[in-house]
Amino acid sequence: EAQVTQNPRYLITVTGKKLTVTCSQNMNHEYMSWYRQDPGLGLRQIYYSMNVEVTDKGDVPEGYKVSRKEKRNFPLILESPSPNQTSLYFCASSFYRTVDVDEQYFGPGTRLTVT
Amino acid sequence: GENVEQHPSTLSVQEGDSAVIKCTYSDSASNYFPWYKQELGKRPQLIIDIRSNVGEKKDQRIAVTLNKTAKHFSLHITETQPEDSAVYFCAASRVASGYALNFGKGTSLLVTP
Repeated sequence: EAQVTQNPRYLITVTGKKLTVTCSQNMNHEYMSWYRQDPGLGLRQIYYSMNVEVTDKGDVPEGYKVSRKEKRNFPLILESPSPNQTSLYFCASSFYRTVDVDEQYFGPGTRLTVT
Repeated sequence: GENVEQHPSTLSVQEGDSAVIKCTYSDSASNYFPWYKQELGKRPQLIIDIRSNVGEKKDQRIAVTLNKTAKHFSLHITETQPEDSAVYFCAASRVASGYALNFGKGTSLLVTP
C-alpha cells in the first residue's frame, strides 16, 4: 500500500531533551516536506527536500533540523525542544517535476507536547 | 512570500444545500491550487486541485474555480451531506518556491441533517 508513515504518533517530552520524528514513504517520491499545524494558524512549512542530500528551509525552520540521506526517509530533529514547539506535525511527499507541482501526500501526523 | 487568505472561517449549511469557500492569494506566480479536507484527528487529504492554465474543474459534487486576474479561487460543494463536515484548507504553490504549499487558515464546515 502506498503510504507516508510517521513515528511516533504521540510524544510528550520535556524542554531540552533532543528528539527525532521519523518520516518514511514507499512511493519513490523525490520531494518530502514537514509542516506544523497550530490552531488558528493552519499548516506552515518547516523544511523541505527535493531529493537526497538536498534540503532547504520553509517558513518556520527555527529550532528544527532535517536530513535526507535516503530517498524514502526524512527525519525531523528537535535538538532542544521548547514549549512553543508543541504542535501537530505532518510529513508530506510527492513526485518532483521541474515544470509542474504534483499532489502532496500527507502522513498521519505526530502530536508533540513539550512541557 | 505567498499569503493565502481563506473565508469564511466557519460555515454551517443544511444538508442538500451548497457550500462555497473562497481564497485569495498574493503571489501572481503561483500556479497550483489544491484543496484539502481534514476530518477531526486525521491527515489532510486532497479533494481537488486546479492549475493556472485552467479556469474551472469539477469532480462530481465538488468544483473549483480560479480567477487568475483577481487572484482568487473558490471551492463549491453541491448537495452537501453530513459526511462533508470537516475542515477545508486551500493552498497555493509554485515550482520556483520549492513546492511549498502555502495554506489558508481553514474553514470549518458543518452540514446539519
